Amino acid sequence: GEQVEQLPSSLIVQEGASVLINCSYTDSASVYFPWYKQEPGKRLQFIIDIRSNMERKQTQRLTLLFDKKTKHLSLHITATQPGDSAIYFCSATGTGGYKVVFGSGTRLLVSP
Amino acid sequence: EAAVTQSPRNKVTVTGGNVTLSCRQTNSHNYMYWYRQDTGHGLRLIHYSYGAGNLQIGDVPDGYKATRTTQEDFFLLLELASPSQTSLYFCASSDGTESFGPGTRLTVL
Repeated sequence: GEQVEQLPSSLIVQEGASVLINCSYTDSASVYFPWYKQEPGKRLQFIIDIRSNMERKQTQRLTLLFDKKTKHLSLHITATQPGDSAIYFCSATGTGGYKVVFGSGTRLLVSP
Repeated sequence: EAAVTQSPRNKVTVTGGNVTLSCRQTNSHNYMYWYRQDTGHGLRLIHYSYGAGNLQIGDVPDGYKATRTTQEDFFLLLELASPSQTSLYFCASSDGTESFGPGTRLTVL
C-alpha cells in the first residue's frame, strides 16, 4: 500500500526565516495531497492542497511544489512567525476511494 | 460551532477494560475515519466508513472495532483494552479534505 515519508522530523528556526518540508510517496495512483497543521493541543487543520495535474500552488506564505515524476512534494513557508509553530503533516489519497495515508509529521518551532 | 466533535476528551481505563469512543459530524460528509496519533508514527488509520452501516478496515485495525450507526455518528470500540492502545485518537469526516475532531486521549493502565 501507499507509504508517505516526511522529512525532516523537526525544525527550529528564528522568526522571519524560511523553511522547507519534504514528502515523498510510493503509489503512483495517488492523486490528491492535502497538508495539515496541528498546533499544540489542537486538532489538525487543513492548510493547503495540490492535485497530481498541478505543479505548484501558493497561498499567502505557503508554496506547495509537486513533482509527479519523482513522487515528491515540498512545502515552503516564508517569513515564519511564532504562530507557525506546529506539527505539519503531508498526506496522499488515491483515486480508488478516500483512504488517506499521512506522513509522520514535521515539528516546527519558530523562536521570536 | 465545531463540525466534528468527540467524546470523551480524556479516558483512563485498565487493561482488559471496555471502551467506546464517540464521534459526531455535522458536515454531511459521507466518509468518516478513526486515527491514532503516536509520536514518530504520525496518524495511522484504524477504520473508516463511507456511510451508515458501512465499515472499511484501515492500516492498524487489530484490537479495534467500529460501527457507523448514522451518517453523523461513528464509534470506535476497544473491547479488551491493552496498554499498547494508549494513544491520542482522532476522528475525521471528509468530502476529499478531512475535517478533524479535537481528539480523545486514552490511557490504558
